[in-house]
Amino acid sequence: DIQLTQSPSSLSASVGDRVIITCRASQSIRSSYLNWYQQKPGRAPKLLIYSTFALQSGVPSRFSGSGSGTDFTLTISSLQPEDFASYYCQQSDSGPPFTFGPGTKVEIK
Amino acid sequence: EVQLVQSGAEVKKPGESLKISCTGSGYRFINNWIAWVRQMPGKGLEWMGIIYPGDSDARYSPSLQGQVTISADKSRNIVYLHWGSLKASDTAIYYCARRHSGASIDAFDIWGQGTMVTVSS
Repeated sequence: DIQLTQSPSSLSASVGDRVIITCRASQSIRSSYLNWYQQKPGRAPKLLIYSTFALQSGVPSRFSGSGSGTDFTLTISSLQPEDFASYYCQQSDSGPPFTFGPGTKVEIK
Repeated sequence: EVQLVQSGAEVKKPGESLKISCTGSGYRFINNWIAWVRQMPGKGLEWMGIIYPGDSDARYSPSLQGQVTISADKSRNIVYLHWGSLKASDTAIYYCARRHSGASIDAFDIWGQGTMVTVSS
């Protein structure tokens, strides 16, 4: 099974900050099979970015994804109040199981 | 509107059985795999298993194999998650999610609202 790790596990940032979250896989993942989700407290997760780079419909352009092989990143170019949430990477390359990373919680500084 | 609607919150005792549901609408239900994802209190997302409603082909996470059963009723657009004997450690929110797979995507694009299951004596 492919294992995913994320760093940091949590971070504190201010509105307007640039935020970078990293996802590392235990083995190489094809770029079409790495996704990112956003989850706000008390809400279901929401697909944010699929296939490493592609923004899901309706997702603001301040979100972007990059990476290849075993290392992937989610970048928020200018953090907005509504972006304070937890973020999870997920792989669909090898499975099942189609594993999630442990999550990164973005909090207000 | 494409959506997945889950059954309501449940409070059960250890050893009891439970079946929760996820009903799809707004799309051709039999054509997309549906996954179940667990979120224990204060924790992250854990992929549990997946089913193809068209033929009820179900796959499970190795860590949960044998502890739950995933089934589907394609005539009613419903997927189920079933426990034969609940444990306190099954207390969690359970989400269903639609797998959208194609040439350039393989992701869970539609999510149910979640079902809170509490197991306590």
